[in-house]
Amino acid sequence: AQSVTQLGSHVSVSEGALVLLRCNYSSSVPPYLFWYVQYPNQGLQLLLKYTTGATLVKGINGFEAEFKKSETSFHLTKPSAHMSDAAEYFCAVSDPKAAGNKLTFGGGTRVLVKP
Amino acid sequence: GAGVSQSPSNKVTEKGKDVELRCDPISGHTALYWYRQSLGQGLEFLIYFQGNSAPDKSGLPSDRFSAERTGGSVSTLTIQRTQQEDSAVYLCASSLIRYNTEAFFGQGTRLTVV
Repeated sequence: AQSVTQLGSHVSVSEGALVLLRCNYSSSVPPYLFWYVQYPNQGLQLLLKYTTGATLVKGINGFEAEFKKSETSFHLTKPSAHMSDAAEYFCAVSDPKAAGNKLTFGGGTRVLVKP
Repeated sequence: GAGVSQSPSNKVTEKGKDVELRCDPISGHTALYWYRQSLGQGLEFLIYFQGNSAPDKSGLPSDRFSAERTGGSVSTLTIQRTQQEDSAVYLCASSLIRYNTEAFFGQGTRLTVV
């Protein structure tokens, strides 16, 4: 069974400051890892994903995440927060041995950006 | 269409009534997923249709929930005898059936049971 833990259900950052959202997973095999963003009243949009290869993954809107197998982590960062980054962020995993993309999600982290 | 389409976007129903939620996946996507997003439970997997294979129903919370996918395209999620705890946003996603793929989500249906 897989599980995902996101530390901090709410994060407040100042505009221009570093954004750091934490994600740890539990899985019997190294999973595929994803970060999704959800803006108010919208569906989920993929920010980035890690499947194989380079462990530092760059995504849209200036976000990046690093897969650390030894720490079972996949933390999301952005060097400089923008007001438009205010949203809820979800970390998710899937089983790389399964075709398709059935996801197990973390609880989500809501980001507030202060001017 | 270009993306996953869900209808209705909002649904208010009385406790005890049945509801049907519709999902139109991206053309050519043979995998379709339903998730539920609620305040207390976060994002939960409900059901997964994978081409012509038997669906993975392991996430359905009770026998009041069912889903079908007709012609390998449109899917309908049905909730019978709705309860207040069924109030949530129901999200549909679709993807190709292959390894190293990505799921694309619709905007969801917000269900309120009163």
